[in-house]
Amino acid sequence: NAGVTQTPKFQVLKTGQSMTLQCAQDMNHEYMSWYRQDPGMGLRLIHYSVGAGITDQGEVPNGYNVSRSTTEDFPLRLLSAAPSQTSVYFCASRFAYEQYFGPGTRLTVT
Amino acid sequence: SQELEQSPQSLIVQEGKNLTINCTSSKTLYGLYWYKQKYGEGLIFLMMLQKGGEEKSHEKITAKLDEKKQQSSLHITASQPSHAGIYLCGADKGNTPLVFGKGTRLSVIA
Repeated sequence: NAGVTQTPKFQVLKTGQSMTLQCAQDMNHEYMSWYRQDPGMGLRLIHYSVGAGITDQGEVPNGYNVSRSTTEDFPLRLLSAAPSQTSVYFCASRFAYEQYFGPGTRLTVT
Repeated sequence: SQELEQSPQSLIVQEGKNLTINCTSSKTLYGLYWYKQKYGEGLIFLMMLQKGGEEKSHEKITAKLDEKKQQSSLHITASQPSHAGIYLCGADKGNTPLVFGKGTRLSVIA
């Protein structure tokens, strides 16, 4: 049981490039979400999903896309990276009163 | 929208001293989660409080939820260097991802 996994751990992008942050969980949780963490800002919700085929926007969704084709996977896509997207990204999955986080992806956009 | 205010923003304590971190909500909480994050790492679940007046302890960390379910406190007794990190409270709005405060950065000095 690996819990919540994220890849890559580190990534450097140039402005305008696109990429996908991967997130997977093996706990059969319906709820998954993406957060970004910036200094002094805590964790802010980007997008979330309550089940396969269902996604919704969080607090800071602009510049990001998500899809949920399976229960296990919830990738986050950056369509055209901007320096303002430099951050640490955390994926989480939830069941009832338990929410678990992945180890994070540290993204730098130059 | 639900807002969580954490205080203090940062805290420096001498090893062996007690400390308290507060988390205040603008709305009644369904549940309140506490996480710890070591610098540069992922989030570790500490405990979750759901009932008004509830108190839980784990090793030297105690968390309480007030009767009105709008404020929680995290108390560390006899702090140690291993307690250093960022403490985050998260609010449960019911079947959606948690909403987080901005965090409290704790440093423990010898």
